[in-house]
Amino acid sequence: DGGITQSPKYLFRKEGQNVTLSCEQNLNHDAMYWYRQDPGQGLRLIYYSQIVNDFQKGDIAEGYSVSREKKESFPLTVTSAQKNPTAFYLCASSILSPNTEAFFGQGTRLTVV
Amino acid sequence: RKEVEQDPGPFNVPEGATVAFNCTYSNSASQSFFWYRQDCRKEPKLLMSVYSSGNEDGRFTAQLNRASQYISLLIRDSKLSDSATYLCVVNLGRGSTLGRLYFGRGTQLTVWP
Repeated sequence: DGGITQSPKYLFRKEGQNVTLSCEQNLNHDAMYWYRQDPGQGLRLIYYSQIVNDFQKGDIAEGYSVSREKKESFPLTVTSAQKNPTAFYLCASSILSPNTEAFFGQGTRLTVV
Repeated sequence: RKEVEQDPGPFNVPEGATVAFNCTYSNSASQSFFWYRQDCRKEPKLLMSVYSSGNEDGRFTAQLNRASQYISLLIRDSKLSDSATYLCVVNLGRGSTLGRLYFGRGTQLTVWP
């Protein structure tokens, strides 16, 4: 079955640690995205990538880093520079078209302990 | 000004009621429009795309007014299972933002028996 997979579903991090969230898709989509969602808030874009080996900052990129070495994979690293990393992280992918919708993974819930 | 604005609600309606959500967008060059549904602690899922002529899917009707830059979603004969947060989503659809989606904060709906 085609889809987009995020792992892990739940992640606990100690303050000062970097953690990497995985996102893999087998939909052959060119574009991939990372969003952050806080309680009662909408989705805010962290990073996005339209093509392999290229990515662009979204609205809240500070304290995060990404890579896009393969079309299928777009991992997100939450660094120790991110001051308030506890949130729900959503990865999405889409084809590159003016009329495209995005498909989401099931999300990773990150908690700093 | 935010790209997409929604009334956050909450909307609390009885079963069988008709409820309407509105959403406004700031960029007149926006290309495509969607409504997503998000259940508590889950990922957003596409409910329906919004076309210029308006479109209907069962109990759900979406409308687009480009002149006034607003999008609406009408739910008729509400069911308990319609309880969720409804996200208004806009795709600017050009250049470096091709494929990038802008999300409203979402409108929370609770349908009670």
